[in-house]
Amino acid sequence: EPEVTQTPSHQVTQMGQEVILRCVPISNHLYFYWYRQILGQKVEFLVSFYNNEISEKSEIFDDQFSVERPDGSNFTLKIRSTKLEDSAMYFCASSWLVRSYNEQFFGPGTRLTVL
Amino acid sequence: AQSVTQLDSQVPVFEEAPVELRCNYSSSVSVYLFWYVQYPNQGLQLLLKYLSGSTLVESINGFEAEFNKSQTSFHLRKPSVHISDTAEYFCAVIASGDTGRRALTFGSGTRLQVQP
Repeated sequence: EPEVTQTPSHQVTQMGQEVILRCVPISNHLYFYWYRQILGQKVEFLVSFYNNEISEKSEIFDDQFSVERPDGSNFTLKIRSTKLEDSAMYFCASSWLVRSYNEQFFGPGTRLTVL
Repeated sequence: AQSVTQLDSQVPVFEEAPVELRCNYSSSVSVYLFWYVQYPNQGLQLLLKYLSGSTLVESINGFEAEFNKSQTSFHLRKPSVHISDTAEYFCAVIASGDTGRRALTFGSGTRLQVQP
């Protein structure tokens, strides 16, 4: 069964460093998302991506964040200069159709720890 | 702005007992409602969804949820739980209609702990 994969499973970085979180969405999906969950808090939407551009983003997704689909299979989230408060579990998701209620398939997450 | 409230952060229950996980949403527009489940060390999996039509929706593994518009609730129930149902359960909402918005708004999650 196709699934969304994410690498690495755990990333530890120093404050101020750049990190890139990688995701491989399900191959025929067209819509891609990043969410995050700070420990003990809600899962929060960051950004959605369709047709090689950002479709929607939350107020969390500031200039420190960027997304890219570099090669037609990977979907990446870059944090330019990490802060302590960026420590969280980051989930990638993808969906096939563009209709709002189409199921979003989630990856297992990358746990980012900023020291 | 939409919000989702899951009142119970943890629900301990014995195996074969019934369970209800509560979810309330706040929205001024029509919504689609979802329950996602997260097993240890795995991603979020869609358990069931309400889009339209019958207010009672069911999953393949015995869970059901009922959309109650007047109470703005979408509680999840199972008449008899198994050890394997131990997981984190997230309620989520998205505005219906052609709003162009795709982002799910999640509740804080409820950890269901099934004890033998």
